Amino acid sequence: GAGVSQTPSNKVTEKGKYVELRCDPISGHTALYWYRQSLGQGPEFLIYFQGTGAADDSGLPNDRFFAVRPEGSVSTLKIQRTERGDSAVYLCASSSGTSGRDEQFFGPGTRLTVL
Amino acid sequence: QKEVEQNSGPLSVPEGAIASLNCTYSDRGSQSFFWYRQYSGKSPELIMFIYSNGDKEDGRFTAQLNKASQYVSLLIRDSQPSDSATYLCAGYKSGAGSYQLTFGKGTKLSVIP
Repeated sequence: GAGVSQTPSNKVTEKGKYVELRCDPISGHTALYWYRQSLGQGPEFLIYFQGTGAADDSGLPNDRFFAVRPEGSVSTLKIQRTERGDSAVYLCASSSGTSGRDEQFFGPGTRLTVL
Repeated sequence: QKEVEQNSGPLSVPEGAIASLNCTYSDRGSQSFFWYRQYSGKSPELIMFIYSNGDKEDGRFTAQLNKASQYVSLLIRDSQPSDSATYLCAGYKSGAGSYQLTFGKGTKLSVIP
């Protein structure tokens, strides 16, 4: 079956603009995660959804970042008033469960560049 | 101090040798540990996970966990050039509605033909 998909694959924007990044998880996966990966670093947790609700948003860096998953499937990460420091690869992952033995499957990522 | 620490490398081993990748963690509440491989420009893909003390083997890969020492390792036997990648160690912790993977910064492995 299809894996996790993310669009766009690349996004270049100007400082101060608004961007939306989309994630389509593996069908049937109720858990969805957003991570951010800067160059030379491991992925950094941003937010976790169980179904439609954000169960843990403790990783969102500030209130410019917001994410939704209105129907419990596709999720959108929204960044307002982008800053150059937001430049990174944004990774989405999904899993069928949330035990310590459930694999998180990662999408290909969206590379965001803020000029 | 980061919660999950890895030597960033690069670690270079000759083809056919054993590659040993190490990871330490600070949060004793971490319940399980995942090893992901990430090729340059690609997303992480799972190699294996471990949650009990001791060794877990899967093909050429062996994960080791020592909770007393807060230490996790990954051994790759008969290393191949195709194993050249960055290896990410991640600790998993759940509770109070949180289900997070905390990643180290990764160790870059180069297998020399």
